[in-house]
Amino acid sequence: DIQMTQSPSSLSASVGDRVTITCRASQGIGDDLGWYQHKPGKAPKRLIYAASRLQSGVPSRFSGSGSGTEFTLTISSLQAEDFATYYCLQHNSDPPTFGQGTKVEVK
Amino acid sequence: QVHLQESGPGLVKPSETLSLTCTVSGGSLSSYYWSWIRQPAGKGLEWIGRIYYSGTTKYNPSLKSRVTMSVDTSKSQFSLKLTSVTAADTAVYYCAREGTSQAIHHWGQGTLVTVSS
Repeated sequence: DIQMTQSPSSLSASVGDRVTITCRASQGIGDDLGWYQHKPGKAPKRLIYAASRLQSGVPSRFSGSGSGTEFTLTISSLQAEDFATYYCLQHNSDPPTFGQGTKVEVK
Repeated sequence: QVHLQESGPGLVKPSETLSLTCTVSGGSLSSYYWSWIRQPAGKGLEWIGRIYYSGTTKYNPSLKSRVTMSVDTSKSQFSLKLTSVTAADTAVYYCAREGTSQAIHHWGQGTLVTVSS
């Protein structure tokens, strides 16, 4: 299985901050990676697909970059509604595997 | 907008079979792959497997011996059965729809299943 190493596991930030989350794959996965936002009791929501493509309806403050083994999710200016847990997911080869998650908390 | 909703018993006894159903609304099952994913409390997300609307399946090797998935297009539902459960199978279970290149797109909100006597 491809291992996805996500960092940090948690971070504290303030509204307006720039936030960066990283995922590293144990082998090359091209751009077969998505980023998801998850709030308690809600369905996870895909923010980014194909590593850098913004899902329709998702605010432009979210962006993704990377290919191969190194990927980044950036929130350019954190908003109150962005406090949540974020996951990366590779679907290059089965089984699909997730990063361990990054909990973004209020500073 | 497609909507997915998981349903099933919230409590299952050890050694018994966990059974969950996902009901899809706002879209057809046709031409898509449908997945099950779970997350034990305090742990990471684990992909359980997928089923195509035609019935073709693929399971995570870690669970393959205990998993069966099925689909009922007439009811817009697909289902998961996990046999011989233990406390380690206690988790929130999610159903989801895959899109291009089996990238998971739409998710249900999840249902907690506890394995306990």
